[in-house]
Amino acid sequence: NAGVTQTPKFQVLKTGQSMTLQCAQDMNHNSMYWYRQDPGMGLRLIYYSASEGTTDKGEVPNGYNVSRLNKREFSLRLESAAPSQTSVYFCASRRTVNTEAFFGQGTRLTVV
Amino acid sequence: AQSVTQLDSQVPVFEEAPVELRCNYSSSVSVYLFWYVQYPNQGLQLLLKYLSGSTLVESINGFEAEFNKSQTSFHLRKPSVHISDTAEYFCAVSARTSYDKVIFGPGTSLSVIP
Repeated sequence: NAGVTQTPKFQVLKTGQSMTLQCAQDMNHNSMYWYRQDPGMGLRLIYYSASEGTTDKGEVPNGYNVSRLNKREFSLRLESAAPSQTSVYFCASRRTVNTEAFFGQGTRLTVV
Repeated sequence: AQSVTQLDSQVPVFEEAPVELRCNYSSSVSVYLFWYVQYPNQGLQLLLKYLSGSTLVESINGFEAEFNKSQTSFHLRKPSVHISDTAEYFCAVSARTSYDKVIFGPGTSLSVIP
């Protein structure tokens, strides 16, 4: 039972570098999400995808791009990393709007 | 746009004492409300949810929350806490304008003292 799988688990980037965080779910869920978690600020929604082929901005989309590659996969890209993007990133998915969201284990990203 | 406030960032409580974690939301339309729990170094897990119907919802491990539309609140309560309840608790809301968009509050850190 893999659930929601995020890669990598840890990453250190230099300012200005780019990278893509990968997320895949094997539960046939329709909706997928990217959040960042910072101390004292809870989880803030970056982008979400209500269904395959659609993506929408969340609360803090600046500096990020996403791709819903297919129903299973939802990637998050940082084109030019900044220290303010140091955070723990969580991917989540859920089947419908009234069901539970399942979260991955998180990616701890440090930008130096 | 919807938003969530959790006024208490940290709540220390003695074991077997009752606890209430407060959550208030802002939305001009109907909402779905959720409480999630995050144990150290783990992802989030759903604790309970309110979609419609009875305003009092319960979880399998003794927590309950009551939806109060007039006060726009969804406070979480437990009559007697255990050490194992030590965790971060997040309230979340999604609104009828876009039920897919789930917004979380800043979280409340519950510490149960032996």
